[in-house]
Amino acid sequence: SQTIHQWPATLVQPVGSPLSLECTVEGTSNPNLYWYRQAAGRGLQLLFYSVGIGQISSEVPQNLSASRPQDRQFILSSKKLLLSDSGFYLCAWSPSGYQPQHFGDGTRLSIL
Amino acid sequence: AQTVTQSQPEMSVQEAETVTLSCTYDTSESNYYLFWYKQPPSRQMILVIRQEAYKQQNATENRFSVNFQKAAKSFSLKISDSQLGDTAMYFCAFMRSNFGNEKLTFGTGTRLTIIP
Repeated sequence: SQTIHQWPATLVQPVGSPLSLECTVEGTSNPNLYWYRQAAGRGLQLLFYSVGIGQISSEVPQNLSASRPQDRQFILSSKKLLLSDSGFYLCAWSPSGYQPQHFGDGTRLSIL
Repeated sequence: AQTVTQSQPEMSVQEAETVTLSCTYDTSESNYYLFWYKQPPSRQMILVIRQEAYKQQNATENRFSVNFQKAAKSFSLKISDSQLGDTAMYFCAFMRSNFGNEKLTFGTGTRLTIIP
């Protein structure tokens, strides 16, 4: 069966520091991969999605970036975090072809 | 652009009762997919139910069912015999049927509390 792993679960970072969140999927190949952010009490906002290695589409211009160095690995990065980057970050995967997305457990990011 | 609206920020219901969560959406597409996701206090997002727009029959998964009204662009979720474990945020989501661009648009959620 397929599983998705996301880490770390919790992260506290100072303003201006770099960020790297990692997500990996097991048990499938060539998945669609997604990064979402959920602000407190809000819905999910799609940040990036990828349909293949090296293929990244950005939905919201900001100081975050994403990379997909391997088929089942998706990384969310920032060179310099802002206070507004605080939130709950969720990685998701889906098979191609209009299938439901399956989410990781999320990372709670607090910026001090 | 597609939008998804959940007009009930919070709801509560007694255990074992039935509750209906509302969702409306706006799109010019004729074919698409709709989903309900559940996010319990643990924050994990869990798929509850899925509906294909080209299917007239309403989807059902055990105690969960939907009332899909395509003309009205309405997609409500009914939870029967509600249980304490149903306490969670519930998100309605829309997906265009555009291959290679299967992105979800989420509503803002409804916080459902099941009262013992």
